[in-house]
Amino acid sequence: QVQLRESGPGLVKPSETLSLTCTVSGDSMTSDYWSWIRQPPGKGLEWLGLIYYNGNTNYNPSLKSRVIISLDTSKNQFSLRLRSVTAADTAMYFCTRGSGWLPDNWGQGTLVTVSS
Amino acid sequence: EIVLTQSPGTLSLSPGERATLSCRASQDVTKNSLAWFQQRPGQAPRLLIYDATNRATDVPGRFSGSGSGTDFTLSISRLEPEDFAVYYCQQSSHSPLTFGGGTRVEIK
Repeated sequence: QVQLRESGPGLVKPSETLSLTCTVSGDSMTSDYWSWIRQPPGKGLEWLGLIYYNGNTNYNPSLKSRVIISLDTSKNQFSLRLRSVTAADTAMYFCTRGSGWLPDNWGQGTLVTVSS
Repeated sequence: EIVLTQSPGTLSLSPGERATLSCRASQDVTKNSLAWFQQRPGQAPRLLIYDATNRATDVPGRFSGSGSGTDFTLSISRLEPEDFAVYYCQQSSHSPLTFGGGTRVEIK
C-alpha cells in the first residue's frame, strides 16, 4: 500500500518561495504520475501540476510559470516549489499518486500559510 | 479548460435516504475519465468512483456512478452516518485536471 507524506514550512512570507516535499513509501517511483493539489481553507480543490517518473512535467497554466515540480527517485521523494507567493496561496497542500493522471492515492496534506 | 459544475451545492437528507449528485462538464470528457471523491472534515479526499462507473477499492456497493460525455451522476442508495460529507467530481481527460466546486451532503 503506497503512503505519501507532505513536509515543509507551515509559514511562508509574501513574495518568497514555498517549498514542500512529498515522501513516498511502498512504491519505487519508477512508474506512475505524481501530483500536487491544494485546497484553500473552506474552498475547493485546485490541481497544480504533475511529474511523470521519467521527469516529464505538466503544470496548471493558472499558476503562470510560478510552479516547479521535481523528482528524486533515489530518496523516494518529489517536491513542489511555488515562487512569489501571496496570501491567495494559503492552502492545504496535498501530494498524490496516480497510475494515470487520476490522483488515486493522497497524502494527509500540510497547511501552508502565507503571512508576514 | 474543462469546467465542472456540480449541483446542488448542498443536499439535506436523512440517513437511509437516497442521494443523487450531478456533475456537468463544459465539454466532452473523453474516455469517461470522470472521478468522484469524498472528503470528510479534516481529511484528504478519498477516491470513490473512477472512469465514471467503476468503484475504487473498498468502496461500499451503495455508491454508484453513471453518465457519459458531459453529464455524470453519483448515487448513494441509502445514506449511512459516515456518508455525510463533501463530494467532488474531477476530470482527467484534458489538462489542466479540474475539479467541480463540490456538493455538501448534510443531515436534515
